[in-house]
Amino acid sequence: DGGITQSPKYLFRKEGQNVTLSCEQNLNHDAMYWYRQDPGQGLRLIYYSQIVNDFQKGDIAEGYSVSREKKESFPLTVTSAQKNPTAFYLCASSIGGYTEAFFGQGTRLTVV
Amino acid sequence: KNQVEQSPQSLIILEGKNCTLQCNYTVSPFSNLRWYKQDTGRGPVSLTIMTFSENTKSNGRYTATLDADTKQSSLHITASQLSDSASYICVVSGESGGSYIPTFGRGTSLIVHP
Repeated sequence: DGGITQSPKYLFRKEGQNVTLSCEQNLNHDAMYWYRQDPGQGLRLIYYSQIVNDFQKGDIAEGYSVSREKKESFPLTVTSAQKNPTAFYLCASSIGGYTEAFFGQGTRLTVV
Repeated sequence: KNQVEQSPQSLIILEGKNCTLQCNYTVSPFSNLRWYKQDTGRGPVSLTIMTFSENTKSNGRYTATLDADTKQSSLHITASQLSDSASYICVVSGESGGSYIPTFGRGTSLIVHP
């Protein structure tokens, strides 16, 4: 089945630790995105990548890092520099930036 | 600054009733507008996507309208069902330097009661 997969669904980490969230797609999409969603808030763009080996900062990139070594994969690392990492993280992909985006099921990260 | 405002913030209706959700935006230049449905704890799922030249698009019981002149869109849900309970998100994409970056609204939380 074609789709976009995020793992794990739930993640718990101690404060001060880096953690990497996985996002894989087999839709052959060029563009991939990471968003953060907090209760009562709209989705906010963290990073996006339009092609392999290239990515751009979104509105709230501080404390996060990404890589795009393969077309299918766009992992997000939440570093210890991120002040409020507890949130729901969503990954998306699209053929191009102007086309419909398909979302993964999200990863809920809790930092204790 | 590009903005997308949705109203109402939340809405409660009885099963079988119709409802309309609103979206106003200031994104420029405009590329497209999409409505997504997001169930609690899940990723958003696309309902409709409209470009500048389209002023209405339907997907089953969901009908979206777009007025590019006033920069307004609405999502009309007909004969609501319990499964329509979700957050509905308006997303507007604008072009900037060859990139098309979407701006998300905060969503309207819809609760359908039996």
